[in-house]
Order: sequence, then structure tokens, then C-alpha cells
Amino acid sequence: GQSLEQPSEVTAVEGAIVQINCTYQTSGFYGLSWYQQHDGGAPTFLSYNALDGLEETGRFSSFLSRSDSYGYLLLQELQMKDSASYFCGRGNNNDMRFGAGTRLTVKP
Amino acid sequence: DAGVIQSPRHEVTEMGQEVTLRCKPISGHDYLFWYRQTMMRGLELLIYFNNNVPIDDSGMPEDRFSAKMPNASFSTLKIQPSEPRDSAVYFCASSFLDSSYEQFFGPGTRLTVL
Repeated sequence: GQSLEQPSEVTAVEGAIVQINCTYQTSGFYGLSWYQQHDGGAPTFLSYNALDGLEETGRFSSFLSRSDSYGYLLLQELQMKDSASYFCGRGNNNDMRFGAGTRLTVKP
Repeated sequence: DAGVIQSPRHEVTEMGQEVTLRCKPISGHDYLFWYRQTMMRGLELLIYFNNNVPIDDSGMPEDRFSAKMPNASFSTLKIQPSEPRDSAVYFCASSFLDSSYEQFFGPGTRLTVL
């Protein structure tokens, strides 16, 4: 494994709020990134947390608690186009190790 | 900039054949990463380079895999000989030195080994 744990699947309805959690091993931890990947596409960067707290970017926010080795991605006002896989990535100095991904399905 | 460019986009080959995947990173980026993605194993880091120098190849599955970066604008990932279990999508990504958490991925190469 990649030493990160996240749920395999999440389902939500359009307009709702969904939170995708990620726990990680602390050894060599620098920060937590989030990436989005649509089916057949490449991962694209969403956000990064190096310090504790919440980072907000439009409808998406990401949170980190270093003391709890835990972070989450919060998606608000869900849209159908948000249906995708979401990966948390643990930064280890200069490289990145990814979790297995959470498949989000947004239903009308 | 056109983004990270990978070729070919699709490759179908027979077991035992040599496969070469190619990547052109974004101009000016310092890091180049090679990943492999499968349903079973997710997105795995194979190897990464800093200024054309391999830094960590601990993710390379075995000696059949090799990667080179002869200059700042080109890298190859070679599999020789290929096996059916190598079937996967291979991504190349690049980033700046001070923001390696933000990686820009290429479109990937879907490799099928029969």
C-alpha cells in the first residue's frame, strides 16, 4: 500500500456537500495534496495543505490536522461534473505517494 | 505551454517485446515523475528525476523496467521484456522544485501486453 487510507466510494446528490477523509502515516510527512481524476483522464491538482487548518478554493476546501495524521477534502454545491476519483497524496520531501482513491458519484 | 506530452497514447504489444514510453515535461520544471496506475494497485510512483538525475527508483518493480532522462526535455521508460502483468496506464508528471506537491500530469500511455 501507499500508507494512506481513504474510502473507496462515496455517493451524494447534486447540490449536497461531501467530505472525503484521508489518514496517513507520519514518517517523512511534509504535506497533503488532493487530486481529481475523471474516467479516462489524468490526475489534476486541486489543493495542498502543509499546515494545520482549512484551505478554501471555490467550492472545494481541504483540511489538515497533523496531530491526528488526518485530512479531508470538502466539496460543496456538488455538480454532476464532480463525479470522479479523488486521491490524497502524501508529500515526502520531494515526491508524492498516493492513496488508492475515492470514487465519488454525484446523482441528480 | 502544451503541458506534459506523452507518447504513444496507446500501445498494444505481445509478451516478450520491448516497450518504450516517452515523455516531454513542461519547460522549466525541475522534477519529472513516472507513475503506473492499475485498478488493483492504484497510482504508484515508479521513479523520479531532479534536473535529469534519478533520485529515487525504489518503486521500479524489477530489473525489466528502466528509465532515463538524457536532457531536461525528454524522458523514457522502458520495459524489456514486457509481461501481461505490466498492462496499465503509465503517467508522466512534472513540477517545479519548490512546489513538487503540485504535479502536472500528462495524458498517460495505456499499455496492453498480450
